[in-house]
Amino acid sequence: DAGVIQSPRHEVTEMGQEVTLRCKPISGHNSLFWYRQTMMRGLELLIYFNNNVPIDDSGMPEDRFSAKMPNASFSTLKIQPSEPRDSAVYFCASSLEFGGGGGSYEQYFGPGTRLTVT
Amino acid sequence: KQEVTQIPAALSVPEGENLVLNCSFTDSAIYNLQWFRQDPGKGLTSLLLIQSSQREQTSGRLNASLDKSSGRSTLYIAASQPGDSATYLCAVNAGKSTFGDGTTLTVKP
Repeated sequence: DAGVIQSPRHEVTEMGQEVTLRCKPISGHNSLFWYRQTMMRGLELLIYFNNNVPIDDSGMPEDRFSAKMPNASFSTLKIQPSEPRDSAVYFCASSLEFGGGGGSYEQYFGPGTRLTVT
Repeated sequence: KQEVTQIPAALSVPEGENLVLNCSFTDSAIYNLQWFRQDPGKGLTSLLLIQSSQREQTSGRLNASLDKSSGRSTLYIAASQPGDSATYLCAVNAGKSTFGDGTTLTVKP
């Protein structure tokens, strides 16, 4: 399997511009996660989906951030408008299933998108 | 709110030494705990997953233990090698994942 695929790998944009990050999970996985990693705050969960449905978006920092999963093989994270403080590495991860009752499986991470907002 | 702490923040050892990385968490109501490795500028690689009902997991030179009641997990690395140099993160999963800040390991040849 190709693993989790993210694009672009690097993105440099100016403040105020719209940014769209893309993720293709591992085929067959039905849970997908978006994380943000910074030196100051470490790795933070932004949102996760089960079977294409957003389950917990409490980590999304504000209304400028939105995420969608239109089908089982594709998800986007959009920032509009972008700000310099959004600069970070954004990771997408997927797993077979995420939840309680013994149904939690390993999360597999993509290589990340390094976002720089100037 | 779940809090995850990893000690030490950084560790430097000579090649061949056995070592232990620590992870502690405040809420013991977890589904599982996962250890990852992250190389500079790269994504996270899963090393071991321990379900809440398990006490330990082993993979090669790695052994992870879990004591849910005391809120602790350890990652034991045997016969360390320079290629083990990386940042090691633990993630506690309880409906959502909470990560520690990691331990940066340097293994000197």
